[in-house]
Amino acid sequence: RKEVEQDPGPFNVPEGATVAFNCTYSNSASQSFFWYRQDCRKEPKLLMSVYSSGNEDGRFTAQLNRASQYISLLIRDSKLSDSATYLCVVPPSGTYKYIFGTGTRLKVLA
Amino acid sequence: DTGVSQNPRHKITKRGQNVTFRCDPISEHNRLYWYRQTLGQGPEFLTYFQNEAQLEKSRLLSDRFSAERPKGSFSTLEIQRTEQGDSAMYLCASSLLGEKLFFGSGTQLSVL
Repeated sequence: RKEVEQDPGPFNVPEGATVAFNCTYSNSASQSFFWYRQDCRKEPKLLMSVYSSGNEDGRFTAQLNRASQYISLLIRDSKLSDSATYLCVVPPSGTYKYIFGTGTRLKVLA
Repeated sequence: DTGVSQNPRHKITKRGQNVTFRCDPISEHNRLYWYRQTLGQGPEFLTYFQNEAQLEKSRLLSDRFSAERPKGSFSTLEIQRTEQGDSAMYLCASSLLGEKLFFGSGTQLSVL
């Protein structure tokens, strides 16, 4: 099993739609979780950290399910500018070796 | 510009040649990371440093790859005897005490 797994997509959604991505991880002891956004031919940039109790930043909500070992990202009211690849990052416990998933491509259509 | 800086932005080389990339992290950041990314894949971990110490190196990294961070500031990544399979984007990132990673714009390597 890969350390971090994501559905590569693409997810094609209309503007205004709500879309959710999941990311599963294999190390049950992992303590830190992040979502990064990567635009085409650009470097990844932090979108948000994921906290145990779940957290929200505007239209974006991140959640953690420790029992099933996955994190999720929910985007409400999708904008054309949300089109990008969303990468989940999970460092194994006891290390700062940040492991990236393959990314999920999102296309928001007009 | 106080972000992560990588040079060169692009490198084209012939198979068998050696190449070296440079990364200048954000000045106060003590951790520095190297990743490799190919089309359609997420960044693949190569190695990371805390100050000048190389703390971890991917098992996927062959002996042709070496990285240094001699004074705990900038870092170099060298690939010896390049192969076509080495063609990729090489990304450098830095962080402060395990906080979020800040990435440079990357070096795109093409091995002909």
